[in-house]
Amino acid sequence: DVKVTQSSRYLVKRTGEKVFLECVQDMDHENMFWYRQDPGLGLRLIYFSYDVKMKEKGDIPEGYSVSREKKERFSLILESASTNQTSMYLCASSSQGAMDYGYTFGSGTRLTVV
Amino acid sequence: AQSVTQLDSHVSVSEGTPVLLRCNYSSSYSPSLFWYVQHPNKGLQLLLKYTSAATLVKGINGFEAEFKKSETSFHLTKPSAHMSDAAEYFCVVSDGQGAQKLVFGQGTRLTINP
Repeated sequence: DVKVTQSSRYLVKRTGEKVFLECVQDMDHENMFWYRQDPGLGLRLIYFSYDVKMKEKGDIPEGYSVSREKKERFSLILESASTNQTSMYLCASSSQGAMDYGYTFGSGTRLTVV
Repeated sequence: AQSVTQLDSHVSVSEGTPVLLRCNYSSSYSPSLFWYVQHPNKGLQLLLKYTSAATLVKGINGFEAEFKKSETSFHLTKPSAHMSDAAEYFCVVSDGQGAQKLVFGQGTRLTINP
């Protein structure tokens, strides 16, 4: 069964901490994405990557960075966590033919910043 | 830029009655459109997708959606609701460019009454 795995289901961090959210996919997909999900706002794209070491800003990149050193792994970094970054974070991956095969999402990481 | 608007934030129906979840889209290109479902504490699952083939698209669990270009709509329907359909539903458009980012609607929470 193909998978996108997010390393943590729940995280609690303090304001100002540097936070790493990890995502691994086993489908050899070229594209990987980080979204955050907030009630009433749907999912909003933070960053995406279409190849190793390549990254592009999404709609809400402020306060975040990403790293993609290997094809299967895409990390989201909160440089200095703030309470307004409390949210559900979802990772997804897709092949270049995504319109035929769709996206595969991880189960999400619920981050609370206190 | 692509966008979707889900016209209802919450829909409540009785078990066995029809379901209608409404979605309008805006796109500069020929869009690819999707419906995803998210059950409580679960990841996102693809229900169905439209990619410029037949305008009536059938998905899993008895759901279907009709692409109407003249109305820029992609409403999701099901003839008879089941209790297991209670979930949040997202209408999604792809910009069809490059890494093919997904743009999500705000979500519609579907409640099924016994």
